[in-house]
Amino acid sequence: EPEVTQTPSHQVTQMGQEVILRCVPISNHLYFYWYRQILGQKVEFLVSFYNNEISEKSEIFDDQFSVERPDGSNFTLKIRSTKLEDSAMYFCASSNTDHNQPQHFGDGTRLSIL
Amino acid sequence: EDKVVQSPLSLVVHEGDTVTLNCSYEVTNFRSLLWYKQEKKAPTFLFMLTSSGIEKKSGRLSSILDKKELFSILNITATQTGDSAIYLCASHNRDDKIIFGKGTRLHILP
Repeated sequence: EPEVTQTPSHQVTQMGQEVILRCVPISNHLYFYWYRQILGQKVEFLVSFYNNEISEKSEIFDDQFSVERPDGSNFTLKIRSTKLEDSAMYFCASSNTDHNQPQHFGDGTRLSIL
Repeated sequence: EDKVVQSPLSLVVHEGDTVTLNCSYEVTNFRSLLWYKQEKKAPTFLFMLTSSGIEKKSGRLSSILDKKELFSILNITATQTGDSAIYLCASHNRDDKIIFGKGTRLHILP
């Protein structure tokens, strides 16, 4: 069964550094999402992306965050200047057609900011 | 403010018991409600509910949505230790925004 893949599985970065989290959605999917889950807390929506643009974003997704689909297969989340509170598990998800299809999640990238 | 509230937050039962997990929501432009199971890492999809009163079933799991009272339940019958997980409820609105509840941590004792 096709799956969403995320790399790396764990990233450790110094505060203030930029990080790029990578995701390869399922190949025929058109809708892409990023979520984060701080340890012990709930899954939080960051952003949804369709047709090469952001369709919705949450209050968490401020100017230090950006997303890109650079080459038609990867979907990336960039955090420009990381803060300690950005430490979390970041999940990518994708879905096929419109909102009547469920999202499939990747295994996540654990981001640790030192 | 849109929100999704799950209860209980934690539940411990013995193998073979039946459990009911609750999810209430207050969401503008509601489209669908989703249930996920989260074990070690990523949530795995269980159900998507868009219409009231239509039960969805998958093996020992079933779920139903009440759009008038704004809640959903997830039932698990004849629980097994492999059902131990966090069960997440999420609302998906027409603006493509998804809000998760805090989850119910279910622990099944052998």
